[in-house]
Amino acid sequence: LAKTTQPISMDSYEGQEVNITCSHNNIATNDYITWYQQFPSQGPRFIIQGYKTKVTNEVASLFIPADRKSSTLSLPRVSLSDTAVYYCLVGPYGSSNTGKLIFGQGTTLQVKP
Amino acid sequence: GAVVSQHPSRVICKSGTSVKIECRSLDFQATTMFWYRQFPKQSLMLMATSNEGSKATYEQGVEKDKFLINHASLTLSTLTVTSAHPEDSSFYICSARDTGGDSGANVLTFGAGSRLTVL
Repeated sequence: LAKTTQPISMDSYEGQEVNITCSHNNIATNDYITWYQQFPSQGPRFIIQGYKTKVTNEVASLFIPADRKSSTLSLPRVSLSDTAVYYCLVGPYGSSNTGKLIFGQGTTLQVKP
Repeated sequence: GAVVSQHPSRVICKSGTSVKIECRSLDFQATTMFWYRQFPKQSLMLMATSNEGSKATYEQGVEKDKFLINHASLTLSTLTVTSAHPEDSSFYICSARDTGGDSGANVLTFGAGSRLTVL
């Protein structure tokens, strides 16, 4: 399983764009990159998933360079409610796959007023 | 979307007793579920993979006799912490993957977690 490395913590202010980068140098060909958000005393919540290039949904964008050895989660115009821990995970997916996911240390994002 | 329900959300028990935590996939079938535990200010640690109709696969260092996992149906997995001790106090989270969706983009859905406190 590919190991991931993220910054331990980041600070931001309301209204700013936040970019969190994750390194996954030994990502495998069939691995997808998925980001989760976790609030205290809650289970992680899916944010976004991608394989290559750029993926955008209603809450975030995910940028993946051609070599796929890193990825960047971009949160536009954060608010106080975006204060949470963000995890980058790498693993194989598919309808017949039962791959487990190993969590790294995550990035604690603190959004200030 | 896929929903995973955990029960109870909080449980307090005396040392030496056993506690069962249920994990249900509400709107999809899950042949595989995963159990994690999380200590304060730490990341999630995978404990075991629960397989419907067969034995669970435990991660290294996790005592299978201490943490009993049963996955008797496609929508229910249970984790029983046997002879609980204060050091077992933690936040336990289950997850499952809805494999009925698009084959290349399914994700793990997590339950809300169960806070276990052993006195």
